[in-house]
Amino acid sequence: AQTVTQSQPEMSVQEAETVTLSCTYDTSESDYYLFWYKQPPSRQMILVIRQEAYKQQNATENRFSVNFQKAAKSFSLKISDSQLGDAAMYFCAYKVGTASKLTFGTGTRLQVTL
Amino acid sequence: DAGVIQSPRHEVTEMGQEVTLRCKPISGHDYLFWYRQTMMRGLELLIYFNNNVPIDDSGMPEDRFSAKMPNASFSTLKIQPSEPRDSAVYFCASSLQITDTQYFGPGTRLTVL
Repeated sequence: AQTVTQSQPEMSVQEAETVTLSCTYDTSESDYYLFWYKQPPSRQMILVIRQEAYKQQNATENRFSVNFQKAAKSFSLKISDSQLGDAAMYFCAYKVGTASKLTFGTGTRLQVTL
Repeated sequence: DAGVIQSPRHEVTEMGQEVTLRCKPISGHDYLFWYRQTMMRGLELLIYFNNNVPIDDSGMPEDRFSAKMPNASFSTLKIQPSEPRDSAVYFCASSLQITDTQYFGPGTRLTVL
């Protein structure tokens, strides 16, 4: 069974600094996708970034980037120049290419301080 | 473009009552998903539809739960009768294809007293 592990229940970062959130996953599949979703207090699940397993290049979206280490089954999220609006729960998620289900980690709560 | 729309945003009901949650997917998306989020179990897939047809309902917890998609722009998740352990946030999500990103609605927070 596929599992997604987020080992950091809570993280804190100062405004304008950089923070990295960790995620590891376990799978025997070769065709899969990885995602980071953000859930602010409004509880809306917002897509932050997506990575296809077949792509070697790490995905980047503005201040958000990932470090995808396929052999190590690691998928960390780096947030640069952190802003107060980045404070939220962050969920790592995995999906087999042709399957329907997103498998989520338990989440990391990110605090951003002044 | 409008995202996934869910209603109501909050629902408080008493045990034994029927509850209906509603979802409008993003226009043009062929796949619709219902998820439930609880503290104990995190986010779990309940059921998903492809072109209005239910494909996999193995995540539906009990027969008290049912879901329909009468057309491409509307789906319902019904709980009858509701129980306190059904209290959770219910999310609807949609995607263009099965391999595409799933976009989530704002969720419905259900409280069953």
